[in-house]
Amino acid sequence: GAVVSQHPSWVICKSGTSVKIECRSLDFQATTMFWYRQFPKQSLMLMATSNEGSKATYEQGVEKDKFLINHASLTLSTLTVTSAHPEDSSFYICSASETSEDLYNEQFFGPGTRLTVL
Amino acid sequence: GQNIDQPTEMTATEGAIVQINCTYQTSGFNGLFWYQQHAGEAPTFLSYNVLDGLEEKGRFSSFLSRSIGYSYLLLKELQMKDSASYLCAVRDGDYKLSFGAGTTVTVRA
Repeated sequence: GAVVSQHPSWVICKSGTSVKIECRSLDFQATTMFWYRQFPKQSLMLMATSNEGSKATYEQGVEKDKFLINHASLTLSTLTVTSAHPEDSSFYICSASETSEDLYNEQFFGPGTRLTVL
Repeated sequence: GQNIDQPTEMTATEGAIVQINCTYQTSGFNGLFWYQQHAGEAPTFLSYNVLDGLEEKGRFSSFLSRSIGYSYLLLKELQMKDSASYLCAVRDGDYKLSFGAGTTVTVRA
């Protein structure tokens, strides 16, 4: 089946530093990748949608200069949290799909990255 | 914005049946998904409905009624490992997934 990996699985960093999270589709080509954030006991909130080779589309309220997304290849997307602050501590999850407009296609989720900013 | 409602918590006994309801109001509709999520892990796909009716997959079934914006997930023959959060998610007219807050199901012996 379709497998999506994320790296790292957890990271602790100091306030003001930047953190990069990688999302890879291991056995399929991901035309579209999605980045979500989940705070404790809350549901997943979509942050942005990225299509290979083009700029990411950010959801309302998500700062594109703070959360940099790069989708340079069909198997890799990266999310960089710049100048991280304690309020950015969260569970970041990516998902990938082969095409965003196939009614029967599903998103395959990565295992998530737990970010803690001290 | 999108509005997806589901109960916060449910408790049931091992071997029993539990039904998790989900109501939604979204801008456009391109399918409804149910996911299972264990604490600290990513969601795993359970079911997908795009047409009205019941989809059955083993111990899990999902129902959809688009006219009233309603779905349910039915879990039969509950096992202890079914204790998890169950997320209802709707794919809207822009093909984006919006998630409900999740229903925490606790299975007791």
